[in-house]
Amino acid sequence: KAGVTQTPRYLIKTRGQQVTLSCSPISGHRSVSWYQQTPGQGLQFLFEYFSETQRNKGNFPGRFSGRQFSNSRSEMNVSTLELGDSALYLCASSTTNEKLFFGSGTQLSVL
Amino acid sequence: ELKVEQNPLFLSMQEGKNYTIYCNYSTTSDRLYWYRQDPGKSLESLFVLLSNGAVKQEGRLMASLDTKARLSTLHITAAVHDLSATYFCAVQRGSNTGKLIFGQGTTLQVKP
Repeated sequence: KAGVTQTPRYLIKTRGQQVTLSCSPISGHRSVSWYQQTPGQGLQFLFEYFSETQRNKGNFPGRFSGRQFSNSRSEMNVSTLELGDSALYLCASSTTNEKLFFGSGTQLSVL
Repeated sequence: ELKVEQNPLFLSMQEGKNYTIYCNYSTTSDRLYWYRQDPGKSLESLFVLLSNGAVKQEGRLMASLDTKARLSTLHITAAVHDLSATYFCAVQRGSNTGKLIFGQGTTLQVKP
């Protein structure tokens, strides 16, 4: 059974640009959550999507957005990138009442 | 607001020694997770603890949960170098949610 797949693995952008990250959950998983990991702030919850609807949202500015498609694949978008957005972005998927499985992450560097 | 605190944040130990990582959380929770993360890698699920008094063991690692004290422990027995990694605890409120609140992480360095 394939795991959670995140693309791309690495990304380099400059300030002011926007970026889109992709996450394909484990087959049959309808919940996709996104996390940001930085050395200073640790692991922080961004948002969760379930059946194409945002179910939970963390405390991030509106520049961070996401969506989920009918096949449960999810994308997150960050607009007007700032240096502080440099981080490892992790996606996790799960089924109802089951534990979360994390992908390998996308390492975003903003120059 | 739910807060999760781990201690210690850094642990350097000799192979063969025992040690415990502590995870305190501020409000009631439904599940507590322990994850392992190697440098540059993703999170690997170690344990999921659901109820008070739960104890789970895998190899040299044993996790326990005391919901009354809002405390979980990860005990390492006879550490080996391969256990060197960062360990995170995370709390989930509600079983049907992908939102986890993570602790700061404990970086474990096991010296030969």
